[in-house]
Amino acid sequence: AAGVIQSPRHLIKEKRETATLKCYPIPRHDTVYWYQQGPGQDPQFLISFYEKMQSDKGSIPDRFSAQQFSDYHSELNMSSLELGDSALYFCASSLGQGGNQPQHFGDGTRLSIL
Amino acid sequence: DQQVKQNSPSLSVQEGRISILNCDYTNSMFDYFLWYKKYPAEGPTFLISISSIKDKNEDGRFTVFLNKSAKHLSLHIVPSQPGDSAVYFCAASGIGAGSYQLTFGKGTKLSVIP
Repeated sequence: AAGVIQSPRHLIKEKRETATLKCYPIPRHDTVYWYQQGPGQDPQFLISFYEKMQSDKGSIPDRFSAQQFSDYHSELNMSSLELGDSALYFCASSLGQGGNQPQHFGDGTRLSIL
Repeated sequence: DQQVKQNSPSLSVQEGRISILNCDYTNSMFDYFLWYKKYPAEGPTFLISISSIKDKNEDGRFTVFLNKSAKHLSLHIVPSQPGDSAVYFCAASGIGAGSYQLTFGKGTKLSVIP
């Protein structure tokens, strides 16, 4: 079965640069979530979209923005990158938000800031 | 403040025996709970979930028990197999409160010894 696809898998940037992470949800899933996992930490929620509208916002820095497109894929845009942004970024998708639908995760993008 | 707690960082179990992973939560708004399994370099894989209206959910070798009064849930794996060796994350969300983001515990590393 098709899973959540994230690209790129690895990304190396320097401080103050910008980065764009992409997420392609499972077909027919209309909800996308972004999480950040630092070294040795649990995943922390950043932001989510349902039917192309922002539905929830967590601990996402103002330097980051995201959107969901008409084909339901999502992009996380990160600017003025800092050393502390080095982390694993996961995208998850679900079919709707209610009805106890589990979130299914991609394999993540590992972002390293030099 | 860690709202979802997995107090055992690691657990070792003999193949064929039962593995019991525990999770406690503090937020009484949580009403949907999930277990994820994670291998290195991969995203979390959904295993099983339970709604707060139930106290048990079973899927093959995996059973999740929920004790709402104690704010405690556990994942039972029986019989345990070497392929079950991974990090297991407990996660929770407050669907009834309109919050679909997942809050994770810090994970328990399960090692199943052949």
